[in-house]
Parts: sequence; C-alpha cells; structure tokens
Amino acid sequence: GAVVSQHPSRVICKSGTSVKIECRSLDFQATTMFWYRQFPKKSLMLMATSNEGSKATYEQGVEKDKFLINHASLTLSTLTVTSAHPEDSSFYICSAYRGWPGSTDTQYFGPGTRLTVL
Amino acid sequence: QKEVEQNSGPLSVPEGAIASLNCTYSDRGSQSFFWYRQYSGKSPELIMFIYSNGDKEDGRFTAQLNKASQYVSLLIRDSQPSDSATYLCAVGGTYKYIFGTGTRLKVLA
Repeated sequence: GAVVSQHPSRVICKSGTSVKIECRSLDFQATTMFWYRQFPKKSLMLMATSNEGSKATYEQGVEKDKFLINHASLTLSTLTVTSAHPEDSSFYICSAYRGWPGSTDTQYFGPGTRLTVL
Repeated sequence: QKEVEQNSGPLSVPEGAIASLNCTYSDRGSQSFFWYRQYSGKSPELIMFIYSNGDKEDGRFTAQLNKASQYVSLLIRDSQPSDSATYLCAVGGTYKYIFGTGTRLKVLA
C-alpha cells in the first residue's frame, strides 16, 4: 500500500507557458501533501504544504503566484508552474502523508516530474 | 533555522563491507527520523524510520538514534553494488520533514 503517482513524469515546454503537475495517492487518503523541488546534486527543498480544502502554505522564498497549488480532494493535489522560465527547470516531487499532524506515519513520495523549460 | 547535516561524500566501501552513514540535526524537538535512498534521476524511497533512542534493525539496515547527541545514523551491512545511491536523512516534527543534503555511497565490486 501507500502508492503515490505523479503525472506527467517528464515535460518540456516553452518559456512563458504554464505547466500542471498532478499528484495522486492511489490507495490511501492524504489530508496533507507536500511539493518539493530538487536541483541536480542538491537535496530536496520543500516548496509548500498542501492541505485538502484549504490554501497551501508556502515556504519562505517560494512565490505562491508562480507555483499554484490546489488540493482538490483527499487523493489529488496539483502544482501549476505559471509562466515558466528556464530557471524553473527542475525535478518536482510530491509526497503524501498518510497520517495526521502529530501522528507517527511517514511521507510517501511520488516518482517525480522532470520539467525542462526551453 | 532548523538544519540537518550530512557529509556529502562520496563514501566508498568495498562490496561486503559495512557502510556507515551519519546525520546530525539542530532541532531538539524533532520527533521522527527517516532514511531515504535516492538513485540518480529517481525520487526518494523510504528505507527506515526511527522514533525512539537506540537501534532499529531491518534486514541489512540498522538505524541508530541518539537524541541527546542529536545524531542519527544508518548502517548497511554486507554492502552491495546495488546499494550505491544517495542516502537522505530526514528529520520531522509533526509531519513536516527537513532533509539533509544527502551522502553519496559507492559500493565497489
């Protein structure tokens, strides 16, 4: 159990376009999902915490108007990179938390989406 | 600023040896500790988690936690070339994690 999918796995787009990435928990309900980005040879950087039915909480330095997050249901969160630029090219990874805040469960990671902006 | 520190490596060990990976963290209130393995171009996969002081063993892997020293480690016994990857230490409060930069492990055949 605890499978998380992401779609698409890879996307190439032109500068100025918007890209939507979906994250789904396939066999459990996730009240909380997380979005990370990872540059080559660097660690995961948390971008935002997404809670079902409420606004996402963004980490310091992450532009909420550029990275739109919608947690529409207990199994789906989407990240939209608006007006993408080459510096947004990165590996975007979502994770879903199966428990609730304060519980001792773990985050389950999706396979990631590699975004390349030309 | 909450921090999680790892030696970036690479840590090279011969096949069959024990690999020892270390991680220190700054937030004394941290409650949960995780080790993830990440192959190049892939997302992290959970290897082990530990919540209490002491050792926790799972197959060839042993996680060790010392909250007083704010230190968590991962031992990999009988290392195999397939263990070659980057190992990420993650430290959590309630459910949010802070990741270390990872240690690259190379197991030499």
